[in-house]
Amino acid sequence: DAGVIQSPRHEVTEMGQEVTLRCKPISGHDYLFWYRQTMMRGLELLIYFNNNVPIDDSGMPEDRFSAKMPNASFSTLKIQPSEPRDSAVYFCASSEGILNTEAFFGQGTRLTVV
Amino acid sequence: GQQVMQIPQYQHVQEGEDFTTYCNSSTTLSNIQWYKQRPGGHPVFLIQLVKSGEVKKQKRLTFQFGEAKKNSSLHITATQTTDVGTYFCAGPDSGTYKYIFGTGTRLKVLA
Repeated sequence: DAGVIQSPRHEVTEMGQEVTLRCKPISGHDYLFWYRQTMMRGLELLIYFNNNVPIDDSGMPEDRFSAKMPNASFSTLKIQPSEPRDSAVYFCASSEGILNTEAFFGQGTRLTVV
Repeated sequence: GQQVMQIPQYQHVQEGEDFTTYCNSSTTLSNIQWYKQRPGGHPVFLIQLVKSGEVKKQKRLTFQFGEAKKNSSLHITATQTTDVGTYFCAGPDSGTYKYIFGTGTRLKVLA
């Protein structure tokens, strides 16, 4: 397997624009996680899915953020409208289970909102 | 909510020196995981500890889980430049089981 695949790797957008980040988890993994990493707040869990169903979105910062997982091999994280404070590295990760299993992270998407 | 803190936040060592990072949880953990993130990279799983007082070794890395299962440590013997990166611990939230990542320790090794 090629691992968790994220696209794009880098995204620069203007404030107010819609941004969509994409993730393809490892085949067979039932859990998918979206994380945000910043210097100030570290690595934060935004939302996670189990078998394509959102289980916990308590980490989603605002209504401007939304995530979907239409099927087992694809997930999106959308920010609309984007703001400069959304600038961060966004990681997608997947795992076989929720407990006692390692998470495999994608390469991340570095988002810059100007 | 559950908090996982790590100290130190940063550590610079000379190549060949030892390094230790400490992880402390506000709650008892059923297990703890350690990840390494190279500069510009993504977190990569290193190991998981489950038992109270457990000690595991990976070459020059020694991982320990505290007796009370609220703290853990990672010790690197004779650091090398390849050890550069940020080391994170992560523990599961007791209610939701989602892993809460620690604040991380950034290691820099000077050749």
